[in-house]
Order: sequence, then C-alpha cells, then structure tokens
Amino acid sequence: DARVTQTPRDKVTEMGQEVTMRCQPILGHNTVFWYRQTMMQGLELLAYFRNRAPLDDSGMPKDRFSAEMPDATLATLKIQPSEPRDSAVYFCASGLAGTGGYNEQFFGPGTRLTVL
Amino acid sequence: DAKTTQPTSMDCAEGRAANLPCNHSTISGNEYVYWYRQIHSQGPQYIIHGLKNNETNEMASLIITEDRKSSTLILPHATLRDTAVYYCIVRARYNAGNMLTFGGGTRLMVKP
Repeated sequence: DARVTQTPRDKVTEMGQEVTMRCQPILGHNTVFWYRQTMMQGLELLAYFRNRAPLDDSGMPKDRFSAEMPDATLATLKIQPSEPRDSAVYFCASGLAGTGGYNEQFFGPGTRLTVL
Repeated sequence: DAKTTQPTSMDCAEGRAANLPCNHSTISGNEYVYWYRQIHSQGPQYIIHGLKNNETNEMASLIITEDRKSSTLILPHATLRDTAVYYCIVRARYNAGNMLTFGGGTRLMVKP
C-alpha cells in the first residue's frame, strides 16, 4: 500500500528557529506538492515540483521559506527563521503527471507545526 | 481554473444518501470536475472526477448537469466515517503542474 510519508508529524519550536519538514513521495511519482493549511486561509499551495524541478513556488514567502528535492525520494520544506504566523499543518502530496490518465494527488498525513 | 461555489455545511442522517452540490457556472470546455474530501486531521483524499458524463466508483457518484454549470456528489449510504470536508475543484485535466486549488468546501456532518 503505497503512501506519502511526512516527518515529523508534529513539531513545536520557538520563534527564530529553523524548521525542516521532509516528505517521501510515492515511488515512481514525478510531481510533488507542498500545501499549508490554517483555519483562516484553508489549504494553500506553496510550491510544486515536476521531475524534481521547481515549477511554481509563487505561493511561498521567499524570504524565509525554501523547498527542494535533493533526490526523487525526498522533498524538503525549510523555514528559517520561523515565526508564530507559520503555525499550520503542512501537507505534502505526490502524483504522476504526463501519463495520459487522471493524475490524482496523494496526500501525506501532514506535519503540524507550532511556532511559539 | 473556474471558480466553484459550495454550501458551507450540510447534515445527513447515517444510512441516507448525502447529496453535495457544487456550482461552477464559468466552467470551460476542457475543465473537469474533481472531488476530494478531508477527514479530520488527515490529508485530502481523491474521490471522483468527471467531464460531462455521470460517473460512479466504489466511493461515490458524480452527477454533472447537461450544461455542466453544476454538479452533485452523491454518497449513497452515508456512514459516520464520511463526516469530512468535501472539496469540489474545477481544473483543466492537463494543466502543466496538475495543480489543485482548494476552496472552502462543504463540511458534511453525518449524524446517527
């Protein structure tokens, strides 16, 4: 049963600290998405990758957020320095693009980030 | 992608059919209707999608009106585990990044 995995599941940190969230997409998937969910804003797309190349990160605050895919099995989202307004649940999703079929997104369980 | 409008919340009795409406009056010819749901504390989950024909799978049925300006997701026999936020999303099937834009969704509460 292939699943997207995310670590850590919960993270509590203090303002100013660096936070790194990791995602392992489903093996063979070539697109990876990062979303952020808050009560106020709902689900927002932060960035997405296709074949490890960033296609769009316009939803991400550039001064403090960065997203990378060091290899096909790992995507990372970093916040440095973190701020209380970054408190949210961060979801990673993966999918398979370009196969001609519908490319549904498979979501991970999320990382709940609390910045004090 | 076309904008969608959904009721904020709905209730349904356990065992009864849950009918969740979605308006997408500005949908264009190459745009599909997708439904995802998010159970509390979990990531969203794909349910079903369609272009203009009605669709059915093991989870739900999707009814799209002939003019494609609205659709209804039907859960034929709702259970307590179907309590979730249901998102109706309209997008072109082959947009470059397969992006999804989530709106507010409908919070479905299935009651005993």
